[in-house]
Amino acid sequence: AQSVTQLGSHVSVSEGALVLLRCNYSSSVPPYLFWYVQYPNQGLQLLLKYTSAATLVKGINGFEAEFKKSETSFHLTKPSAHMSDAAEYFCAVSDGNQFYFGTGTSLTVIP
Amino acid sequence: NAGVTQTPKFRILKIGQSMTLQCTQDMNHNYMYWYRQDPGMGLKLIYYSVGAGITDKGEVPNGYNVSRSTTEDFPLRLELAAPSQTSVYFCASSYVASSYNEQFFGPGTRLTVL
Repeated sequence: AQSVTQLGSHVSVSEGALVLLRCNYSSSVPPYLFWYVQYPNQGLQLLLKYTSAATLVKGINGFEAEFKKSETSFHLTKPSAHMSDAAEYFCAVSDGNQFYFGTGTSLTVIP
Repeated sequence: NAGVTQTPKFRILKIGQSMTLQCTQDMNHNYMYWYRQDPGMGLKLIYYSVGAGITDKGEVPNGYNVSRSTTEDFPLRLELAAPSQTSVYFCASSYVASSYNEQFFGPGTRLTVL
């Protein structure tokens, strides 16, 4: 079965600082990887997805993620945090039928 | 397009009561899913459907039932509500074409069982 592990259930950064949210995957086949964001009291929204076209994937709101097969990682980054980035972030992997979500990382942005 | 809609937004049930959580999508997606979200646990798949008339169990199906009579609708039924079913429930849908098609989520239903 496929799975993802998100290291760090809570991450705090200062406004303007680098955001780094970690995700490692376990997959026996080439993975399809996703990052979703959830704002308070809302559903999940897609930030970006890896589909093997390019290892560096750019998403919405200035986020990007790099697929590293050797490290089985798909970490999410943003060069400069904004207050509006405060939310819960989920990494997910798909096997075509089901999605498998990580336990989430709550991002706090300190003014 | 409204996307994925869920009703109700909030509900309080007493132990042993039953209810149906409604989910509708207008994107003509073949795949639909029900998740529950508990604090610190991420999303757990309850049931999913690959098309009208076809459903399958996910990771945590006990205590729930589903049906899929149309492409648009995928209701989730709780027959005998228990406190352990207190959670936020999300419905999602995706297009069938391949593994890299993302899921689109509804706004969620917050259920409390007392």
